[in-house]
Amino acid sequence: ETGVTQTPRHLVMGMTNKKSLKCEQHLGHNAMYWYKQSAKKPLELMFVYNFKEQTENNSVPSRFSPECPNSSHLFLHLHTLQPEDSALYLCASSQGRDENYGYTFGSGTRLTVV
Amino acid sequence: AQTVTQSQPEMSVQEAETVTLSCTYDTSESDYYLFWYKQPPSRQMILVIRQEAYKQQNATENRFSVNFQKAAKSFSLKISDSQLGDAAMYFCAYRGTSGTYKYIFGTGTRLKVLA
Repeated sequence: ETGVTQTPRHLVMGMTNKKSLKCEQHLGHNAMYWYKQSAKKPLELMFVYNFKEQTENNSVPSRFSPECPNSSHLFLHLHTLQPEDSALYLCASSQGRDENYGYTFGSGTRLTVV
Repeated sequence: AQTVTQSQPEMSVQEAETVTLSCTYDTSESDYYLFWYKQPPSRQMILVIRQEAYKQQNATENRFSVNFQKAAKSFSLKISDSQLGDAAMYFCAYRGTSGTYKYIFGTGTRLKVLA
């Protein structure tokens, strides 16, 4: 399998639940990203990992907790979310954090917080 | 701070016709990169075309081409011979070369292709 794979595709969770989003890339890339996509808003960068090290936390609330155990896998752990956190969460990767050839994106997880 | 503006929330085009999607940006940098991404209903964002600001020649990828006007800070996408599979959200993005490596995305334009 190639490209960037995200699971689950859809997720409905209550505000008191704990869940995790998973992202996996088989491209040999060293940088991975979490983005939040809400309707009629630009994509919001949440976290950046470069060679497994977190290099960016874009003022994201602590109820979102990222984890990058290796360069191929990225997780987003969710707990005590709010309804306004409902959105499409996209994972992306690139060869390096500083390269200029664009990202490879996954198909996202559609999250609904009830 | 850099900004990217897509002023057309939605556009329609007849199949086989040509459509142009607009994008403007604001930056004080002289060297940067611009991108158009396509997001079909499958939700995966796909890179359509890339432009390097220091190159005056407009980028072209098959039926997709850009009109890059650096002085006007404009970066429009032209889709020729539109096909039903071109129906998607299209996002314009900017990446600078000094200071931050972040990509700045616009709000997107939804393109409908009419049979």
